[in-house]
Amino acid sequence: SAVISQKPSRDICQRGTSLTIQCQVDSQVTMMFWYRQQPGQSLTLIATANQGSEATYESGFVIDKFPISRPNLTFSTLTVSNMSPEDSSIYLCSVETVGGTQYFGPGTRLLVL
Amino acid sequence: EDQVTQSPEALRLQEGESSSLNCSYTVSGLRGLFWYRQDPGKGPEFLFTLYSAGEEKEKERLKATLTKKESFLHITAPKPEDSATYLCAVQANSNSGYALNFGKGTSLLVTP
Repeated sequence: SAVISQKPSRDICQRGTSLTIQCQVDSQVTMMFWYRQQPGQSLTLIATANQGSEATYESGFVIDKFPISRPNLTFSTLTVSNMSPEDSSIYLCSVETVGGTQYFGPGTRLLVL
Repeated sequence: EDQVTQSPEALRLQEGESSSLNCSYTVSGLRGLFWYRQDPGKGPEFLFTLYSAGEEKEKERLKATLTKKESFLHITAPKPEDSATYLCAVQANSNSGYALNFGKGTSLLVTP
């Protein structure tokens, strides 16, 4: 398994500002992912955070809006840029371990006013 | 396109009343099917991975099974602490990555 922490756990932000979310895992992992869970909805993949190269984004998500960094095998950040109320969601980091299972962090609850 | 459909959307059980949750899926080559439990305000907690039709896995009161078209999560003699949202996700054999495609979940409430 893997132990994942996220910071901040929650935040309330003003429209037009940006927020950077941190994800730390307790062991080196190859695969790290960022998901979004909108109110009352299930999880949607935003991007795969690649160590040493640009993130791979899913359809509907772009780097200018959700820039991602992956400086090493245990850490990643997701920035939500130029926020609007539609960005209010839970943002979740996940990692895939050697056994092929994806484990999730506790999430960051974002409210944009 | 991969699709995951979970039913029912919500389920209310009396303590001790066994039932099953369904996850129907279509995927272009299944790498794995995952079950997670999510409590309010928390991230999904991993329960099971199933890889091939006929496979079964158990953990306490939960048992997951897999066919070529669907998976069931059987809950035997549930307790109130089993109340949560149960999520099903599929992972396809793909050269483009290892994303999980999630269903919308089944919200389970177990009453004393």
